Amino acid sequence: DTEVTQTPKHLVMGMTNKKSLKCEQHMGHRAMYWYKQKAKKPPELMFVYSYEKLSINESVPSRFSPECPNSSLLNLHLHALQPEDSALYLCASSQTSGTYNEQFFGPGTRLTVL
Amino acid sequence: GENVEQHPSTLSVQEGDSAVIKCTYSDSASNYFPWYKQELGKGPQLIIDIRSNVGEKKDQRIAVTLNKTAKHFSLHITETQPEDSAVYFCAASIMGYQKVTFGTGTKLQVIP
Repeated sequence: DTEVTQTPKHLVMGMTNKKSLKCEQHMGHRAMYWYKQKAKKPPELMFVYSYEKLSINESVPSRFSPECPNSSLLNLHLHALQPEDSALYLCASSQTSGTYNEQFFGPGTRLTVL
Repeated sequence: GENVEQHPSTLSVQEGDSAVIKCTYSDSASNYFPWYKQELGKGPQLIIDIRSNVGEKKDQRIAVTLNKTAKHFSLHITETQPEDSAVYFCAASIMGYQKVTFGTGTKLQVIP
């Protein structure tokens, strides 16, 4: 299985809502990533988990809260988002440090904040 | 930190022609250069990569070249087909380091 799955595919939420994005992989990868991608732009790194521990936080606002419950799952909890947070949220996974960083991406969750 | 520039931003070719996308990077420590293809409504998919100990790599109609001295790397697609139409991102990374720096992307359109 060389697939990264993400749910939901689409999400519309108000600025006062709380929602979560979910990502799953079964490739035995021990590094997992959250990216944000705006239209016509490259993916922008948000968080990296390595062996279920947060290793990189690219100064992301606290209204985004990542969680890695186990080596296969990655969540992104959303609260009090702003309209400018509307974007495609991508999850990726890779082998951990000590290797070349071949990242495998999921299809993304298209988030719209009203 | 690393900076990756990518050109052109858009590229239109006739079906069957070749397409070339060029990238430059700034950090001489970078030693891994993946290329991603992103189709509309999908996540980026790794299509080919090259490591700094190799100057060229081919996979069917796709080839990548790397010039470490000039800090340039390029993607070459031969005999283009309509299904090659997508946005292509180059990227640079350092082995053992989890952060990947992406280029700005090239929208390739193959005209039937």
